[in-house]
This record gives sequence, structure tokens and C-alpha cells, in this order.
Amino acid sequence: AQSVTQLDSQVPVFEEAPVELRCNYSSSVSVYLFWYVQYPNQGLQLLLKYLSGSTLVKGINGFEAEFNKSQTSFHLRKPSVHISDTAEYFCAVSVQNFGNEKLTFGTGTRLTIIP
Amino acid sequence: ETGVTQTPRHLVMGMTNKKSLKCEQHLGHNAMYWYKQSAKKPLELMFVYSLEERVENNSVPSRFSPECPNSSHLFLHLHTLQPEDSALYLCASSQEQGGRETQYFGPGTRLLVL
Repeated sequence: AQSVTQLDSQVPVFEEAPVELRCNYSSSVSVYLFWYVQYPNQGLQLLLKYLSGSTLVKGINGFEAEFNKSQTSFHLRKPSVHISDTAEYFCAVSVQNFGNEKLTFGTGTRLTIIP
Repeated sequence: ETGVTQTPRHLVMGMTNKKSLKCEQHLGHNAMYWYKQSAKKPLELMFVYSLEERVENNSVPSRFSPECPNSSHLFLHLHTLQPEDSALYLCASSQEQGGRETQYFGPGTRLLVL
């Protein structure tokens, strides 16, 4: 079965500084990878996803992530954060295996932007 | 606004009560999901419906009973819950049921069981 690890439960960052949120996964088969964001009092919203092709994926709000198969990672990055980026970020994985394609989520990383 | 609505947004119930959570999606999707979100834990998938048929039931206690009367509506019926069932319950939908699909989430129902 697949699993996702988000090592950092909380990340404080100064406004306009860069940020990287780490995500590692484990799976014995090929995967699809996702980053979702949850703003306060809201549901989750897709930031970006990797299905195939280019390992650098660009998403909404200036975020991007890079799929690294050898390191089984899918870290999320933004070169300059804004106050409005304060939210919880979830990495998720599903496997390319018909009949067992449910999303498995990490525990989340709370990003706090310091003015 | 994601096109997925949930009611009520907040619910307080006693352990002997019966209540229902409602989810409606306006996206024309064929798959719908119930998740449980508890603090410090990953989202837990509870139920999956595809074309109104249940395709996944992740060993959820029988005090949670889902219902999908049509592809736009999903209910979660609750009875004799326990305090540990207090959590945020999220509904989601996707075009099809599959690992490639983007899921669209509602805002959730925050449930407190006393």
C-alpha cells in the first residue's frame, strides 16, 4: 500500500521569502501525485498534480513542485510567499493500479506567513 | 466556491441522536466521496460512490450510513455516535472514480459529539 510523509507539521516563513514544503511517498508501483491546499474554514482545493511527462509541475498561485522518482519526493515550492498563502497544505498520492486508486493523504503542513 | 456544497456547516449532537449530513455537487461529476478529517491525522477516506453505486467502504463503523440517491447528492446518516467521531467531515466529487482524477471538496461539516 502507498503512504505519504510530510515531515514538517508547521513551517513559518517571512513574507516575500521562498518556501519549500516537503513530501515523500512510498509505493511499489507508479504513482500520481497531488498537492492540495486548505484555507481556514474551507475544504481542500487542488494546487497542482503530476500524472506523467515533465517532472516540474506548475500550479495555481505561483506554486510549483518537482517529481523526483529516485528520491520518491514531490516537494512544493514558491519563490516568494504572500500573506494570503497562509493555509494548510496536503500532499497526496494514488497508485496506477486499476481497482485500487484511492487518494492517500499526508498529515499536512501548516504554512504561516510572518509579515 | 468549488461547486460542492455541504449542510449543515456545524452540528452538535448527543450520542443518542440521529442526524444526517448532506452534500450536493453542481459539477456533473460521476463520483462522490466522504472523508473524515481529524486533527494531526491524515484525511481518512470513508466511502466512495461511482455512478450512485458504493465502490469503497473503508471499514467504517455501522453507526455511519451513506446514501447516494443520485449522482448529485450524497448523504451521511449518523446514529449513536461516540465522542471520538467529532471531526470535520468533508465531501468531495470527481468527474470519474480513479487515481488520476482531481477531487473537488466542499467546505465540510464540523461535527461535535457530546
